[in-house]
Amino acid sequence: AQSVTQPDIHITVSEGASLELRCNYSYGATPYLFWYVQSPGQGLQLLLKYFSGDTLVQGIKGFEAEFKRSQSSFNLRKPSVHWSDAAEYFCAVGAQGFGNEKLTFGTGTRLTIIP
Amino acid sequence: DVKVTQSSRYLVKRTGEKVFLECVQDMDHENMFWYRQDPGLGLRLIYFSYDVKMKEKGDIPEGYSVSREKKERFSLILESASTNQTSMYLCASSWGTEQYFGPGTRLTVT
Repeated sequence: AQSVTQPDIHITVSEGASLELRCNYSYGATPYLFWYVQSPGQGLQLLLKYFSGDTLVQGIKGFEAEFKRSQSSFNLRKPSVHWSDAAEYFCAVGAQGFGNEKLTFGTGTRLTIIP
Repeated sequence: DVKVTQSSRYLVKRTGEKVFLECVQDMDHENMFWYRQDPGLGLRLIYFSYDVKMKEKGDIPEGYSVSREKKERFSLILESASTNQTSMYLCASSWGTEQYFGPGTRLTVT
């Protein structure tokens, strides 16, 4: 069974600083990987996804993530955060193949931005 | 754009009441999902449906049931609401692995 670990429950960064949110997954083959963002009181919005190919993927709002198979990681990065990036971020893993529609989500990382 | 809507943003119910949470998607997706979200626990899958009238239990189905009579609509039913079902409920739909989420329903059971 697949699993996801987000080791940081809460991260605080200054506006304009760089950001890296960690995600480690467990899955026997090459997974599908996702990062979602949830603004307060809202549903989840897809930031980016990795299915195959280039291991560095670009997403919306200036975010990127890098798939590292050797480390079973898919960390999310942004070079300069904005106050509007304050939200909760979820990493998710899915299995490749027909009939594998379910995602397994991490427990989330809450991001606080200080002026 | 894919749109997933949920019938209520906030709901307050009493213990023992029967509660219906409705979810509608407008993109002809085969798959629909119900999750509950609790602080520190992330999203946990309650049920999902891969076709009309087809359903499969998720990780925490106890105390819940679902109904999917039409492709675009997926309902979550709490047969007899309890205080430990106070939570944020999120609906999602997909045609493959990428899921699209509704805004959520925050349910309080008193």
